[in-house]
Amino acid sequence: GENVEQHPSTLSVQEGDSAVIKCTYSDSASNYFPWYKQELGKGPQLIIDIRSNVGEKKDQRIAVTLNKTAKHFSLHITETQPEDSAVYFCAASKDYGGATNKLIFGTGTLLAVQP
Amino acid sequence: AAGVIQSPRHLIKEKRETATLKCYPIPRHDTVYWYQQGPGQDPQFLISFYEKMQSDKGSIPDRFSAQQFSDYHSELNMSSLELGDSALYFCASSSRRGLAGVGQYFGPGTRLLVL
Repeated sequence: GENVEQHPSTLSVQEGDSAVIKCTYSDSASNYFPWYKQELGKGPQLIIDIRSNVGEKKDQRIAVTLNKTAKHFSLHITETQPEDSAVYFCAASKDYGGATNKLIFGTGTLLAVQP
Repeated sequence: AAGVIQSPRHLIKEKRETATLKCYPIPRHDTVYWYQQGPGQDPQFLISFYEKMQSDKGSIPDRFSAQQFSDYHSELNMSSLELGDSALYFCASSSRRGLAGVGQYFGPGTRLLVL
């Protein structure tokens, strides 16, 4: 079945450093890849997404890259701040004709940014 | 901006009782998704609706049912509750109305505890 692997499970960085989280998906028909940030006791917050027709997307300190051949995508956070500390989930979906279909999530990465 | 509204936020039930969770999507969103998240786990897709019709079904127990109403809000009905049903239940909404690229936006969740 569809599967998304995510690494690392935990990541600790110093404030100001960069953080990279990597995901691999199994279903080659997947074409939509969002990233979510989940703080304790809150719902997942969509922070950036990418579709299979582009290789990279950037929004301020956050960027996502996609390698369709390798079925691999990554989240890059630069100049990390303590408020970036949270659990980050990658996800994959087959999105044809409008709203996204069900999301298959990775297992999450607990990011801790040390002041 | 308006977000997804879920009620109740917290719910405590006994085994074998029933529970009803409600979800109000973002205005003009026509698609609703339900996810279950166990402690320390990633969200797992349960079911989705578009224009009041079930659009996809995941690992939802037969004891659970859901529907979407004419005002696009959705309800998840859970019967014969089991201890293992204790989890966070998230609703997400999206849109198919020509808004290509609209992702899934999650609500704050309902924390269900079955005793």
